[in-house]
Amino acid sequence: DIQMTQSPSSLSASIGDRVTFTCRASQSISSYLNWYQQKPGKAPKLLIYAASSLQSGVPSGFSGSGVPSRFSGSGAGTDFTLTISSLQPEDFATYYCQQTYSNPVTFGQGTKVEIK
Amino acid sequence: QLQLQESGPGLVKPSETLSLTCTVSGGSISSSGYYWGWIRQPPGKGLEWIGNIYYSGSTYYNPSLKSRVTISVDTSKNQFSLRLSSVTAADTAVYFCARVQLELGYFDDWGQGTLVTVSS
Repeated sequence: DIQMTQSPSSLSASIGDRVTFTCRASQSISSYLNWYQQKPGKAPKLLIYAASSLQSGVPSGFSGSGVPSRFSGSGAGTDFTLTISSLQPEDFATYYCQQTYSNPVTFGQGTKVEIK
Repeated sequence: QLQLQESGPGLVKPSETLSLTCTVSGGSISSSGYYWGWIRQPPGKGLEWIGNIYYSGSTYYNPSLKSRVTISVDTSKNQFSLRLSSVTAADTAVYFCARVQLELGYFDDWGQGTLVTVSS
């Protein structure tokens, strides 16, 4: 199985901060890397797919106009990052990376973003 | 707008079989561009992929659960189902169903999730 390791496990940040999370795969996964945001008691929401493509549209159960452009993803191979350019109140959540390069599909353990 | 809704018992006894159904509305489960998947999340923990199914019935399971898992599809009802046998307390989790993009494998639409507790 491909192991996905996220860092940090948690971080405290302020509104307006630029924050970056890291996800590392135990072997190369090309660009088969996706990012999800999960709020307590809710299903995960797809933010980024294929390492850097911003998800468009609004999934069922969510309101709003889709994933804001302040979210961006980068990386390829084994090292990936998710960046929020200016943290907003609604961004406090847990973020998971996921590899879909090979089965079994695996997730990182998550990075929890808390209010400083 | 596509909607997925999980349904099934919220309490299952140890050694019995957990059964859940995901009903898809606002779209066809027979769409050629998608799998349909199950994922679970133990309380306070991370996400674990259980398996996917294509509308034709082709299945892909997590090897860690493969001996106990069966995923099936009923295109006439626009539903797919999960059966997990010989459950223990370790199978207590929120179970999510989701639509899976065929080519890249990401989960682009999810049900709200349903908590299943394994307890006598």
